Parts: sequence; structure tokens; C-alpha cells
Amino acid sequence: DAGVIQSPRHEVTEMGQEVTLRCKPISGHDYLFWYRQTMMRGLELLIYFNNNVPIDDSGMPEDRFSAKMPNASFSTLKIQPSEPRDSAVYFCASSPPGRRYGYTFGSGTRLTVV
Amino acid sequence: EDQVTQSPEALRLQEGESSSLNCSYTVSGLRGLFWYRQDPGKGPEFLFTLYSAGEEKEKERLKATLTKKESFLHITAPKPEDSATYLCAVNSANQAGTALIFGKGTTLSVSS
Repeated sequence: DAGVIQSPRHEVTEMGQEVTLRCKPISGHDYLFWYRQTMMRGLELLIYFNNNVPIDDSGMPEDRFSAKMPNASFSTLKIQPSEPRDSAVYFCASSPPGRRYGYTFGSGTRLTVV
Repeated sequence: EDQVTQSPEALRLQEGESSSLNCSYTVSGLRGLFWYRQDPGKGPEFLFTLYSAGEEKEKERLKATLTKKESFLHITAPKPEDSATYLCAVNSANQAGTALIFGKGTTLSVSS
């Protein structure tokens, strides 16, 4: 299994531009999570999906952020327009049903907005 | 509001020098406490899940324990390859489904 695959690994963009982050979860995992990690705030949950349906998006910081999961093997997190304070590492994670299984995280996308 | 606090923020050990990392939590109805390891430039890697006070889990030189207010990650005779950031997370009745709230982590450095 290739694990959770995120792309791109690094993204540098100018303020005001649209940014799209991508994630392919592990096959058979029906939960998908988007987290953001910064030195100041640590790992913060942005949104999560169960069976492709958004369950909790209360962590999405602003309307500039949106996430979709059109099918079981693909999800996107979009920021439009991007701002310098959005600079962070964005992680996607997936898990099978049940709490006894921890999440499997991707390697993350390091976003820098200049 | 659920809170997870880890201490210390950073810990330096000599190889073979055993120690413990602390994770204190304030939640309404703990449904699970999780430990992860994170290496630089990588995503967190799952280590353990603990569900009830008194429970213990072990993996190589790591042992996790749980009480009603905190969890400890004991590291016995650490080696340089144990150097990483260790993250604690909780799932509680306040959170929908399996969502986790993470602490900020303890960065462990083990020198030979």
C-alpha cells in the first residue's frame, strides 16, 4: 500500500492566488481528515469526511477555505484567495471505521504564501 | 472545551537515559487517547491508542500509560533513532466521530 498520497509536497504562491492541495486516501478507509500544522498552533483539524460526506467543517478558518471529496479516492483543499498567514504544513489523513485505529497521515504539503 | 497539554516542550537525553513524556488532558467523556511520533518533514505516525484508566501499551522501548487526567509515554534506554516529536491526541464526546484534538508535542533529542 502506498499510504496516503498528498500533492504537491511544496507550494510557493503569491498572496491573492488560488491554491489547491490534493489527497488520495488509503483504499478502504472511509474517513478523511485535513489538518494544518504551524509552530504556534500545532496540528489543527480543518474538516473531515465520512464516506465522502463532510461531517464537521467547524475548523475551516474562513470562507476562503473549501474542501471537496468527489469520490472515495480523492479530496481537495482549496484556498482562494491565499494570504501569508495561510503559510503552514497541510496534512491529509485517513482511517478505517472505529477508534482503535489511528489515522494514517500523508507526508504533507508545505505551503508558503509570499 | 477539550484541551491537551504536553510537557516538556523539549527533552534532551543521553543514549540509555530513561525518561517520561507527559500528556495532560481536560475533556468531556474521553473516548480514546492516541500517541503519535513525527519525524522532521514527515506526517505523524501512529503509535498507540489507550481507552481507559489503567491501560498500558508497549512497543519496543516505548510504554504508554493512562490515568483519568493524564498519559505518560515512558522511554526506556533510548537510542538516537528515538529522536522525534511525540504528539498526544484525544477523541472525546465533544467531538463528532473520530476527530482528534492534538497537543503541541514534545521534541525528544537523544545523543550518543
